[in-house]
Amino acid sequence: DVKVTQSSRYLVKRTGEKVFLECVQDMDHENMFWYRQDPGLGLRLIYFSYDVKMKEKGDIPEGYSVSREKKERFSLILESASTNQTSMYLCASVRDGLHEQFFGPGTRLTVL
Amino acid sequence: GENVEQHPSTLSVQEGDSAVIKCTYSDSASNYFPWYKQELGKGPQLIIDIRSNVGEKKDQRIAVTLNKTAKHFSLHITETQPEDSAVYFCAASIRYSSASKIIFGSGTRLSIRP
Repeated sequence: DVKVTQSSRYLVKRTGEKVFLECVQDMDHENMFWYRQDPGLGLRLIYFSYDVKMKEKGDIPEGYSVSREKKERFSLILESASTNQTSMYLCASVRDGLHEQFFGPGTRLTVL
Repeated sequence: GENVEQHPSTLSVQEGDSAVIKCTYSDSASNYFPWYKQELGKGPQLIIDIRSNVGEKKDQRIAVTLNKTAKHFSLHITETQPEDSAVYFCAASIRYSSASKIIFGSGTRLSIRP
C-alpha cells in the first residue's frame, strides 16, 4: 500500500520560530511537492522537487525553503514563522507529472 | 499566469440525485486533467482522470467530460450517496521548467442531503 507520511498532524508555533515540516514517501517517486490549503483558495504550490537536491519554486515560495537530501524525504522549512503562514500543509509525491499524485494526511500549522 | 477556475464552491444535492462540478483552464497545452476527493481529516485522493486524447471517461457512478476547444471539463456523479460528501478539486497539468506540474481549482464542497 503506497504511503506518504507527514511528521505531525497538528503543530502550534510562535511568531519568529523556525519550523520544519517533514514528508516521507515509500514509493520511490522522483517528484515531491509541498502545497498549502486555505479555504476558498484550493491547493497552492509552494515548492517542488523532481530529483534529490533539486528544487523549484512554486506559486507562493515567499517565506519558505525546502530540502531534499534523500529521494524519499522532502522537508519544508519556515525560516521565521508568521501568523499568515497558519494553514494546512500537504505533501504529495508522483512518479512523474502526468500521473496520480499521492498526498499525505496534512499538517495543520497554527502560528501564534 | 495559468489558472484553473472551479464552480460552484458549494453544492448540496438530494441523495440519489446527480451532482455536476465544472472547471475551466487557461493553458491550451494542458493535457492531463485529474479530479481529487478530500474527505474530512485526510489528504486529497484521485478519483478519476482524463487525458486530452479522449472526450469522456466513466468509472461506475463517476464520469468526466473534456471539451478542449472550450477548455472546459466537468465531473458528473450520478445516484449520489452520503459517502460522496466531501471536497472535490479539479486540476490541469502545465509544463513548468524541467517538469510538469498540476494546477488545482479552488474546490467544491459537496453535501448530500438524506
